Amino acid sequence: DTGVSQDPRHKITKRGQNVTFRCDPISEHNRLYWYRQTLGQGPEFLTYFQNEAQLEKSRLLSDRFSAERPKGSFSTLEIQRTEQGDSAMYLCASSLDGPRGSYNEQFFGPGTRLTVL
Amino acid sequence: AQSVTQLGSHVSVSEGALVLLRCNYSSSVPPYLFWYVQYPNQGLQLLLKYTTGATLVKGINGFEAEFKKSETSFHLTKPSAHMSDAAEYFCAVSGPGAQKLVFGQGTRLTINP
Repeated sequence: DTGVSQDPRHKITKRGQNVTFRCDPISEHNRLYWYRQTLGQGPEFLTYFQNEAQLEKSRLLSDRFSAERPKGSFSTLEIQRTEQGDSAMYLCASSLDGPRGSYNEQFFGPGTRLTVL
Repeated sequence: AQSVTQLGSHVSVSEGALVLLRCNYSSSVPPYLFWYVQYPNQGLQLLLKYTTGATLVKGINGFEAEFKKSETSFHLTKPSAHMSDAAEYFCAVSGPGAQKLVFGQGTRLTINP
């Protein structure tokens, strides 16, 4: 399977704990995105990388959130001091850079469902 | 700024009936528009997209959508619903060269036998 993979698929944690999620994009894709989806809502953009550079961050990404893509391949999203409001599905997507102004399809992973008790 | 409004959080149709899911967008730049489908416990799958050119776009599984600039709409249709179409559908907008997708809140489609 050469699609986008995410690990873990499910995570239950207690309020105040730190959690880290991993995303492995499609191998030749140089762009990687993180979105958050709460129950009954559409996904909301959090951040994206081109290779190892983090190019845009949403206001939703508070100081407790940090994302990295150290070698331009896999990415991690860490949430420190989790709160109940962080409970959501965290989706990763990847795409391949194309000509300026073109759209390059984002392929989504299955997501990591976080529950904060 | 861009935004998407999906009219109707839940749509129910009979098997074989027309499916119509409504999407209106707001964008200060020429929009790129998308429909995604999400099955339970799965990621999002692209159904179809409009970027430039023909305003009627066809996608997978018999779905199609028409970009109407004057109405700022991008409604999704399928002539005959199948039980396997039951899922959550999301409309999304982006801009030329922009990378992030802005999604609507989703429409859950239920198919009645």
